[in-house]
Amino acid sequence: SQTIHQWPATLVQPVGSPLSLECTVEGTSNPNLYWYRQAAGRGLQLLFYSVGIGQISSEVPQNLSASRPQDRQFILSSKKLLLSDSGFYLCAWSVLRGGNTIYFGEGSWLTVV
Amino acid sequence: AQSVSQHNHHVILSEAASLELGCNYSYGGTVNLFWYVQYPGQHLQLLLKYFSGDPLVKGIKGFEAEFIKSKFSFNLRKPSVQWSDTAEYFCAVKVNTDKLIFGTGTRLQVFP
Repeated sequence: SQTIHQWPATLVQPVGSPLSLECTVEGTSNPNLYWYRQAAGRGLQLLFYSVGIGQISSEVPQNLSASRPQDRQFILSSKKLLLSDSGFYLCAWSVLRGGNTIYFGEGSWLTVV
Repeated sequence: AQSVSQHNHHVILSEAASLELGCNYSYGGTVNLFWYVQYPGQHLQLLLKYFSGDPLVKGIKGFEAEFIKSKFSFNLRKPSVQWSDTAEYFCAVKVNTDKLIFGTGTRLQVFP
């Protein structure tokens, strides 16, 4: 069966520090991969999605970036965090193409102080 | 740009009351529609989905949703809510480019 894991689960970082959240999917190949942020009162905001290695689509201009160095690995990064980057970040995957269900990871709580 | 609107940000109901949560999207092409639910302290999980065919879809726990193409809507309904339905509900639309776009969510509180 397919599984998705993301880490770390909780992170407290000072303003201006770098960020790296990792996500891996097991049990499937060539998935669509997504990064979402869930902030209070703003629902789920799509940040990045990827349909293949090295293919990243950015939905929201900001100081975050994403990379997909391997088929089932998706990384969310920042060089310098802002206070406004605090939130709950969710990695997700779905089968490539078609109207298939999207599956979410456990989420990562980021607090920028 | 594509977007999803959920008009009810916070809904409070008593048990056995009927529920309808609104969802509208803006996209002129083919869409797949979803409702996800997030119970307190738990992950997002799929409630129901529409791909094609009968526009009235039934999901888990007695929920259903109706796709009205002319209104670009996919409202979620349940005839009689329970306290255990307290959760946050997200409408989502998947467009041709495999993007899954979520609404801002509706927080439902059900009181016994």
